Amino acid sequence: KQEVTQIPAALSVPEGENLVLNCSFTDSAIYNLQWFRQDPGKGLTSLLLIQSSQREQTSGRLNASLDKSSGRSTLYIAASQPGDSATYLCAVPRSNDYKLSFGAGTTVTVRA
Amino acid sequence: SAVISQKPSRDICQRGTSLTIQCQVDSQVTMMFWYRQQPGQSLTLIATANQGSEATYESGFVIDKFPISRPNLTFSTLTVSNMSPEDSSIYLCSVEWQGGTYGYTFGSGTRLTVV
Repeated sequence: KQEVTQIPAALSVPEGENLVLNCSFTDSAIYNLQWFRQDPGKGLTSLLLIQSSQREQTSGRLNASLDKSSGRSTLYIAASQPGDSATYLCAVPRSNDYKLSFGAGTTVTVRA
Repeated sequence: SAVISQKPSRDICQRGTSLTIQCQVDSQVTMMFWYRQQPGQSLTLIATANQGSEATYESGFVIDKFPISRPNLTFSTLTVSNMSPEDSSIYLCSVEWQGGTYGYTFGSGTRLTVV
């Protein structure tokens, strides 16, 4: 069974600092890995999807890396802003049916 | 990717009552997924809704408590029945991106409080 872990559970940084969010998974035979953002009480917004054949994916200030062999992905957010305050979730499709298994998330607070 | 409209966005309900949550997708999709997110927890898959067949429930979830309808390829409902305070959660629907990438889009969520 795929287990997805996110460390740290919470992170507080001053505005302008770079953010580093970690995601690890136990079964390295993943199809892809998807990063989401969730604002309090709201739904999920997809940020980046990395296919298993890719090493990284970029969108604006966001960069996600993937190391399948070590079972890790890292989301980097450059020059953080207060608007980046949210919970960030990573998810991987289950190997038997491709439905998502989620990490518990990292809650980010960017202080102005 | 598809756009999902989910409603209601939030509700406060009395224990013992039921609430039906709706999701409308702007394109036809084969499967729709329903998730629960309990306070402070991550997302747990409740069931998969296929058009024209019974929904498939994950371990720990039963049809009597969470009946699902899927009348066509763009719409689904989830009902939370005979609610108790433990049902207070965010409920989300989701669909898979087209093209076999196994990426997913989520609705805006329904924040349910049972009093």
